[in-house]
Amino acid sequence: GQNIDQPTEMTATEGAIVQINCTYQTSGFNGLFWYQQHAGEAPTFLSYNVLDGLEEKGRFSSFLSRSKGYSYLLLKELQMKDSASYLCAGSDYKLSFGAGTTVTVRA
Amino acid sequence: DAGITQSPRHKVTETGTPVTLRCHQTENHRYMYWYRQDPGHGLRLIHYSYGVKDTDKGEVSDGYSVSRSKTEDFLLTLESATSSQTSVYFCAISEGTGDPLAKNIQYFGAGTRLSVL
Repeated sequence: GQNIDQPTEMTATEGAIVQINCTYQTSGFNGLFWYQQHAGEAPTFLSYNVLDGLEEKGRFSSFLSRSKGYSYLLLKELQMKDSASYLCAGSDYKLSFGAGTTVTVRA
Repeated sequence: DAGITQSPRHKVTETGTPVTLRCHQTENHRYMYWYRQDPGHGLRLIHYSYGVKDTDKGEVSDGYSVSRSKTEDFLLTLESATSSQTSVYFCAISEGTGDPLAKNIQYFGAGTRLSVL
């Protein structure tokens, strides 16, 4: 199993950058996932890191350090539609989710 | 969007009654999962399936059973619903085979909101 820890809430201004940190402790590791979930909707897949380093997808980037049990999701050029919960999940072939970080984007 | 349909989308039931939730996929993916999501707990795995008639327990399986008689359908049954099972239930699927970077990505259905009174 996995223990996943991420902050509960973050607030940022439109156009700014926000970094959501995630730490994990694993009994086995097969990758680190990030999902976005808008209120009342299903989680949607954002990124998947297996190897150390940075993965960039447009305005979203995700970083992984396996030796430190650490990942972050970087959201750049924030838009109002980015207000959502962001879920970090560790994989040992099954996903273990953190409780999620609610990001609020202010005008 | 992944072809995943959950039914019903909303259900209100009484304590002690049986309830079955259905997940149907059109992607022919090997793995299917049932999660529940509660405030402060995030998504927790109830049961999962790695093939027809092949299922296993997750971290919160007590009070739940599952069945998978066809690749496309995965049923979650609450044998005797309790108020503690009031939650939002999500089904997810993953390929399980093929591209190493893609096979473990899980795609979620829209969810079922269950209230047990």
